[in-house]
Amino acid sequence: DAGVIQSPRHEVTEMGQEVTLRCKPISGHDYLFWYRQTMMRGLELLIYFNNNVPIDDSGMPEDRFSAKMPNASFSTLKIQPSEPRDSAVYFCASSLARGWLETQYFGPGTRLLVL
Amino acid sequence: DAKTTQPTSMDCAEGRAANLPCNHSTISGNEYVYWYRQIHSQGPQYIIHGLKNNETNEMASLIITEDRKSSTLILPHATLRDTAVYYCIVRVTGTASKLTFGTGTRLQVTL
Repeated sequence: DAGVIQSPRHEVTEMGQEVTLRCKPISGHDYLFWYRQTMMRGLELLIYFNNNVPIDDSGMPEDRFSAKMPNASFSTLKIQPSEPRDSAVYFCASSLARGWLETQYFGPGTRLLVL
Repeated sequence: DAKTTQPTSMDCAEGRAANLPCNHSTISGNEYVYWYRQIHSQGPQYIIHGLKNNETNEMASLIITEDRKSSTLILPHATLRDTAVYYCIVRVTGTASKLTFGTGTRLQVTL
C-alpha cells in the first residue's frame, strides 16, 4: 500500500492567490482528516470526514478555507484567497472506523508558503 | 479532552532506555492515553495507547500509574532513528471530538 498520498509536497504562492491541496487516503479507510502544523500553534485538526461526509469543521479557521471529499479516494483543501499567516505544513490522515485515533495514518504533508 | 503536560526536551544515549513522562491529572474515567511521534519533516506516527493497564508492542511500552494521572512511554533500546518529537494525547476513543496535539517532548538520541 502506498500510504496516504498528498500533493503538492511544496507550494509557494503569493498573497491573494487560490491554493488547492490534494489528498488520497489509504484504500478502505472511511475517515479522512486535515491538520495544519505551525511552530506557534503546533498540530491542529481542521476538519474530518466520515464516508465522504464532513463531520466536524469547527477547526477550520475562517471562510477562506473549504474542504471537499467528492469520493472515497480523494479530498481537497482549498484556501481562497490565501494570506501569509496560512503558511504552514498541512497534513492529511486517514483511518478505519473503530478507534480512529489509534489507526490514523498521516501523509507526508504539503509545505505551504504564502508570500 | 484532558490536558497533558510533557517536558520540552530530553536526551538519551543510543542503546539505553528512553523514558518519556506525561502528566494528565484531569483525565476522565473513559479517556485513553495515546502516544504519537513525529520525526522531522514527516507526519505523526502512532506508537501505542492504553486505558489503565500497562501496554507493550513492538515499538514501545506504556506504563500508566494506578491513579491514571500520569504515564511513561518507554523505548527500551533507543536508536538514532528514534530522535523525534513525542506527543502524549488523552482522549475518548471513537468519539467525534476535536483533537489537539500539545507541544510534545523533543527526544534527542545521541551516540
